[in-house]
Amino acid sequence: KAGVTQTPRYLIKTRGQQVTLSCSPISGHRSVSWYQQTPGQGLQFLFEYFSETQRNKGNFPGRFSGRQFSNSRSEMNVSTLELGDSALYLCASSFLGGQGHQETQYFGPGTRLLVL
Amino acid sequence: AQTVTQSQPEMSVQEAETVTLSCTYDTSESDYYLFWYKQPPSRQMILVIRQEAYKQQNATENRFSVNFQKAAKSFSLKISDSQLGDAAMYFCAYWDPGTYKYIFGTGTRLKVLA
Repeated sequence: KAGVTQTPRYLIKTRGQQVTLSCSPISGHRSVSWYQQTPGQGLQFLFEYFSETQRNKGNFPGRFSGRQFSNSRSEMNVSTLELGDSALYLCASSFLGGQGHQETQYFGPGTRLLVL
Repeated sequence: AQTVTQSQPEMSVQEAETVTLSCTYDTSESDYYLFWYKQPPSRQMILVIRQEAYKQQNATENRFSVNFQKAAKSFSLKISDSQLGDAAMYFCAYWDPGTYKYIFGTGTRLKVLA
């Protein structure tokens, strides 16, 4: 099976702009999670989507949003970019077939965003 | 709220030696999953090992093994016969069955000395 893919891999934006990142999960996986990783804050959970519904949300401002499509592909959007949004954004997918059933989370290579 | 603590920001080990990375967590759940992930300089997060809380037997994957102490809420990773390719950031993670949320520790940077 192909792994989790993320596009683009690198992105440079300026303050005030908006950006959309894409994540394609492993085939058959229905859960997609997004994380922000920075040297100072470590790995911070953004949100998780399962079957097109946002099931979990971290403590990020409303400028950060996401969605999931019927094919489980997910996008995250950051509006009105700030310098502090510069980070590695990681996407991870898992099957999570049913209540209490846990499947391992697999990560994509990440999108490195630089805000100038 | 569940928390995961990695108290060692950085560790070093000589090539071919053994090293143990520590992780403690806090939860009131009895059924959960624990993971160790490795993030090398390439930044690709790779699963190293996982442990189901209901299993008393410690998980092993080749040179990697865990010491899971459920009562003490401790989940350490032992790397035997360390290799240069083991140099990476290692993250401990807990999966919350109530919220389906993964909670990560702050990571331990492992250096392998030739």
